Amino acid sequence: GESVGLHLPTLSVQEGDNSIINCAYSNSASDYFIWYKQESGKGPQFIIDIRSNMDKRQGQRVTVLLNKTVKHLSLQIAATQPGDSAVYFCAETGGEYGNKLVFGAGTILRVKS
Amino acid sequence: NAGVMQNPRHLVRRRGQEARLRCSPMKGHSHVYWYRQLPEEGLKFMVYLQKENIIDESGMPKERFSAEFPKEGPSILRIQQVVRGDSAAYFCASSQLRGNEQFFGPGTRLTVL
Repeated sequence: GESVGLHLPTLSVQEGDNSIINCAYSNSASDYFIWYKQESGKGPQFIIDIRSNMDKRQGQRVTVLLNKTVKHLSLQIAATQPGDSAVYFCAETGGEYGNKLVFGAGTILRVKS
Repeated sequence: NAGVMQNPRHLVRRRGQEARLRCSPMKGHSHVYWYRQLPEEGLKFMVYLQKENIIDESGMPKERFSAEFPKEGPSILRIQQVVRGDSAAYFCASSQLRGNEQFFGPGTRLTVL
């Protein structure tokens, strides 16, 4: 199923600290996962992706961890900066050919200076 | 290389009017996806199109909503006889191949009075 929420969870971190954002996905058959960042008034922006044959992938300041056993995805942001403040969504592929993205409810990240 | 373009960025309609939302995919992308986002929620898949074909419309309401992606020109999402519940942000995404990374446009914010 898809997540629906009236109030998004919020994570507040101090500038320079590491952030961890968690996500539970629904479809055990999904084989491709993406983290998106969405700033106010803008479209989602790709951060990092991971395929189901991996359990960890690193980018610049970001790491995604995938635990298929418990259907859990996490995004780690190192040395969080004020510009990282946004809503973060995880998404999994769905549909017959993996053509659609199924988004989680989202987490608001607030970075305090 | 321009990203995904959407217009208009903001659209105000009265109940019963028609809304037309346009999306130009990234250059070289022939796969287009439409999503709807209500406040404080994740994006919900509506429809997936390739040039001149609707591949998956499982997320689109059966009545009043239609989408097309003609051989020439942008993809169009059309909402007839709009109601207040249609007020939302509508995002278009495109990809080069099916199942690949989707790049999102800035969205069209539809307000129905």
